[in-house]
Amino acid sequence: AQTVTQSQPEMSVQEAETVTLSCTYDTSESNYYLFWYKQPPSRQMILVIRQEAYKQQNATENRFSVNFQKAAKSFSLKISDSQLGDTAMYFCAFMAGSGNTGKLIFGQGTTLQVKP
Amino acid sequence: NAGVTQTPKFQVLKTGQSMTLQCAQDMNHEYMSWYRQDPGMGLRLIHYSVGAGITDQGEVPNGYNVSRSTTEDFPLRLLSAAPSQTSVYFCASSYRAGRTDTQYFGPGTRLTVL
Repeated sequence: AQTVTQSQPEMSVQEAETVTLSCTYDTSESNYYLFWYKQPPSRQMILVIRQEAYKQQNATENRFSVNFQKAAKSFSLKISDSQLGDTAMYFCAFMAGSGNTGKLIFGQGTTLQVKP
Repeated sequence: NAGVTQTPKFQVLKTGQSMTLQCAQDMNHEYMSWYRQDPGMGLRLIHYSVGAGITDQGEVPNGYNVSRSTTEDFPLRLLSAAPSQTSVYFCASSYRAGRTDTQYFGPGTRLTVL
C-alpha cells in the first residue's frame, strides 16, 4: 500500500522569503504521479503543481517548484518570494500509474503561514 | 460553467439520522469521487465512479453509499449517521480517471453528527 507523509504540521515564513515543505512517500510502483494541493481558508482545494515520476526534470509553476528525489522517495515543494496569499494548508498527494482509477492518496498536510 | 458544486455547505445531524450530500459537475467529466478530510489525516477516498452506472469503494467506504445514474451527479448517502462521520466532505471530478487529468474539487460540506 502506498503512504504519503508530511512531517511538518506547521511552518511560517516572512513575506518575500523562500520556504520548503517536505513530503516523503512509500510505494513499490515504478510509474506514478505526485501532486501538491493548496487549501486556503476558503477550504477550496487547488492544484499547485504536478510531477510525473518518469520525468527527471523537476516541475515548476511560476514561484512554485519541486525537488523530486525518486530514489529517496522525496517530493518537496519550494515557494519562492512568498506572498500573503500563499497562507494555506498544503497537501502532498500520490497517484499510482497502474490501474486507471484516479485515486489520490494524501499526506496529513502542512499549515503554512506567511507573515508580513 | 459552475465547475463542481456541493450542497449543503454545512449540516448538523443527530446520531442515526440519514442524509444525502449532493455533488454535481457541469464539465462532462467521467470520473467523480468523494473524500473526507479529518484533522491530522489529510483527505481519504470514500467512493469513486469512472462513469455513469459504475461505482467502487475507496479507502474508507463503511457507512456510506453512492450511486451514479447520470454523468453530472454523484450523491453520497449516509444511511445512519454516527459521530465518527463528523468531517468535511469533498467531491472531486476529472475528465477521465487518468493521471494527467486535473481533478477539480468542490467547496466541501462540513458535517457535524451529534
